[in-house]
Amino acid sequence: QVHLVESGGGLVKPGGSLRLSCAASGFTFSDYYMSWIRQAPGGGLEWISYISNGASTMYYGDSVKGRFTISRANSKNSLYLQMNSLRVEDTATYYCARGDPDIGAFDSWGQGTLVTVSS
Amino acid sequence: SYELTQSPSVSVSPGQTARITCSGDGLPKEYVYWYQQKPGQAPVLVIFKDKERPSGIPERFSGSSSGTAATLTISEVQAEDEADYYCQSSDSSASYRAVFGGGTHLTVL
Repeated sequence: QVHLVESGGGLVKPGGSLRLSCAASGFTFSDYYMSWIRQAPGGGLEWISYISNGASTMYYGDSVKGRFTISRANSKNSLYLQMNSLRVEDTATYYCARGDPDIGAFDSWGQGTLVTVSS
Repeated sequence: SYELTQSPSVSVSPGQTARITCSGDGLPKEYVYWYQQKPGQAPVLVIFKDKERPSGIPERFSGSSSGTAATLTISEVQAEDEADYYCQSSDSSASYRAVFGGGTHLTVL
């Protein structure tokens, strides 16, 4: 059974940094692309980053480009998101999501980790 | 930037049919996906590639797409279907960029 577990969220001051992790199990991690998707409190879903299955290609949403870095360690079945220069508007629950190349959708999601940026 | 538009809310009585729409200029060229999100839970994929249903999703969930609009139809709505529903597609000018609609809250009266 596919299982994605995020960790690393918490309270951080504006301008600070945080590193999120996502531990994957139950599937061949290196076969799937992964994304980070966030949801502000009471808000909708926002895609923020993509990484290909082999980590050769990464993309970012405009709101985080230049501040966030996505990476993965296939040997550890892990996905990461390094978040720098955090802003109040980055406050959200961050989900890691598996992208199935056959169906083109995010077919499995973690339970999310909450990041709060506040002074 | 590319946007998908959903109406904020839909209300139906149990046993009726709920239709949730999503509109976007790029929909004729890109597939639409639908996710269900219940309070405090992660989203769950309920429709992919416009009209395909993942295993484990009840048959009462169906999808369609025509022109710049896509529709998620839930037949014989049950109380457990009350949730937020999000459509998702890709920016046709940058296919790696996933775009979500603003979400529609389905209330089962």
